[in-house]
Order: sequence, then structure tokens, then C-alpha cells
Amino acid sequence: GAVVSQHPSWVICKSGTSVKIECRSLDFQATTMFWYRQFPKQSLMLMATSNEGSKATYEQGVEKDKFLINHASLTLSTLTVTSAHPEDSSFYICSARRDSSGNQPQHFGDGTRLSIL
Amino acid sequence: AQSVAQPEDQVNVAEGNPLTVKCTYSVSGNPYLFWYVQYPNRGLQFLLKYITGDNLVKGSYGFEAEFNKSQTSFHLKKPSALVSDSALYFCAVRDFYGNNRLAFGKGNQVVVIP
Repeated sequence: GAVVSQHPSWVICKSGTSVKIECRSLDFQATTMFWYRQFPKQSLMLMATSNEGSKATYEQGVEKDKFLINHASLTLSTLTVTSAHPEDSSFYICSARRDSSGNQPQHFGDGTRLSIL
Repeated sequence: AQSVAQPEDQVNVAEGNPLTVKCTYSVSGNPYLFWYVQYPNRGLQFLLKYITGDNLVKGSYGFEAEFNKSQTSFHLKKPSALVSDSALYFCAVRDFYGNNRLAFGKGNQVVVIP
């Protein structure tokens, strides 16, 4: 149980394109979902946290208008990278958690490799 | 804020030997600790957690971790390493800010040598 599906796995697109990444909890309802960015051989950098039906909470330094997050249901959150540029190229990973207390573990998607040309 | 430290960058171990990946924590209050593993180009997989109870926690794939309050440590262990255990391992602690998010360590690359 606790499967999180992230789509697409790879995206290669031209500079200026907007890219949407989906994160779905397949067999549980996710009270909270998280979006991370990871650089090679480094730890995860939290970008934002979202609760179903609420506005996302962004970490300091993350542009809200650049990285649009929607958490429309208890099983789906989306991250849209608007007008992507080469510096946005990275590995983006989502996670989902059943509870709001943090006692339960986060379950992660397999990530999206984004390459902007 | 809560934090964890993983002091080593890389851990090399021969196949069949015991594997230990170190983690120390700094928290106010009781720690909620987690271990995750990441394979190349994949997301993180949950291995185990400590919330309360027995100090020795057993998890997936034969891993276990020992919570040591006096040493503020939560080291991950496996009695006999497999080549397939080669991966990036992350220790994490629940942070009470920001929807009880996780604060991750920098990660440890484990290389199991055949």
C-alpha cells in the first residue's frame, strides 16, 4: 500500500514552455502533499506544502508565480513550472502523507526529470 | 528547528558484511525519526520510523535502526549487506513547523562491493 504515482517521468522542452507535473496517491487519501527539488548527489529541497482545498505554503525563496501548485482533491496535486528556463532544469519529486500530524511517513513518487533546452 | 546530521558522505562495505549508516539528531521535545532510501532516478522509499516504543526498530529489506536517546543517534543497520543495497540513504526528522514536514539529512551514498 501507499503508492504515489508521479507523471511524467521525463520532460524535455524548449525554454518558455510551461510544464505540468502530476502527483497522485493511488491507494490512500493524502491530507498533505509536498513538492521537492533535488540537485545531483544532494538532498531534497522542499519547495512547497499543500493541503487539499487550500493554498500551498511555499518555502522562502521559491517563487509562487513560477511554481504553481494545485491540490484539488485528496489524491491529486499538480506542480506547474511556468515559462520554464534552463535554470529550472532539475529532478522534481512529490510526496504524499495520510495525516496532518506527521506521525505517518511521507510516500514519494518516482520523480520527474525536467530538462529545459 | 529540528535537524539531523549524516556525518559521512559515502559508506563502502563489502558484500556480506554489516552495514551501518550514521545519523544524529537535534530536536526540542520527542523526536520522530525516519529513514528513506533512494535508487538512481527514483523517488525515496520509506524504510522505517521511530515514534515511540522499542528503541530497536525493524523495517523493510532487512534494515533496522536503533534509537539512542543519550547519544541522540538513530543509526541504520543491516547485518549482511547486498550489492543491491547500494543507494543513497536519507535520515529525516519531523519538523514541527510547516505542516509537520520532514527535515532531511544530506544523504549518504552506500556502495556495497561484490
